[in-house]
Amino acid sequence: GEDVEQSLFLSVREGDSSVINCTYTDSSSTYLYWYKQEPGAGLQLLTYIFSNMDMKQDQRLTVLLNKKDKHLSLRIADTQTGDSAIYFCAETFSGGYNKLIFGAGTRLAVHP
Amino acid sequence: DVKVTQSSRYLVKRTGEKVFLECVQDMDHENMFWYRQDPGLGLRLIYFSYDVKMKEKGDIPEGYSVSREKKERFSLILESASTNQTSMYLCASSGLADTDTQYFGPGTRLTVL
Repeated sequence: GEDVEQSLFLSVREGDSSVINCTYTDSSSTYLYWYKQEPGAGLQLLTYIFSNMDMKQDQRLTVLLNKKDKHLSLRIADTQTGDSAIYFCAETFSGGYNKLIFGAGTRLAVHP
Repeated sequence: DVKVTQSSRYLVKRTGEKVFLECVQDMDHENMFWYRQDPGLGLRLIYFSYDVKMKEKGDIPEGYSVSREKKERFSLILESASTNQTSMYLCASSGLADTDTQYFGPGTRLTVL
């Protein structure tokens, strides 16, 4: 069945770039998403990429998609303490209804 | 501005109690979802609904039921709460189009003693 995998923790120094990686299994996924969850809050859509794209850039965020390897990454440039959060990768479920399959989430810790 | 609200941010219940978690969206969305979030497991889908009075089981429906009597409201029911249902519960909604993403509520942290 569908599965999405992410590493659970990432620690970076303030000002450095962060790269969060994700692998997925459903090659028919139309969209792949990155959500951000700040402490005590729900999930907030950060960005998404359509499956026929290789890259998408949005200010400090760069999403790279390698369809052959089913690998998705999120790069955050000039990481700030406000970027500390849990980041979830998600793929659309091929069965419809806009269902999403989520990874376990990567906790990003930014230290001075 | 899109909005999904959940009835409680924190809830403490006793084993065996019946628990209702309410979710309301103001975006006229057809799809609504209930997830539970546990550390290291991410979000797991409990139930979803694609129309009023329609519901479908997700990946972990056991011990839960849902109700959707009105389009804007989707309720999650724990018939007899157990300690292993202590978790963060997140509600989401989305439109029907493939391009419609899910919008999430702030979550309800439920503790069952």
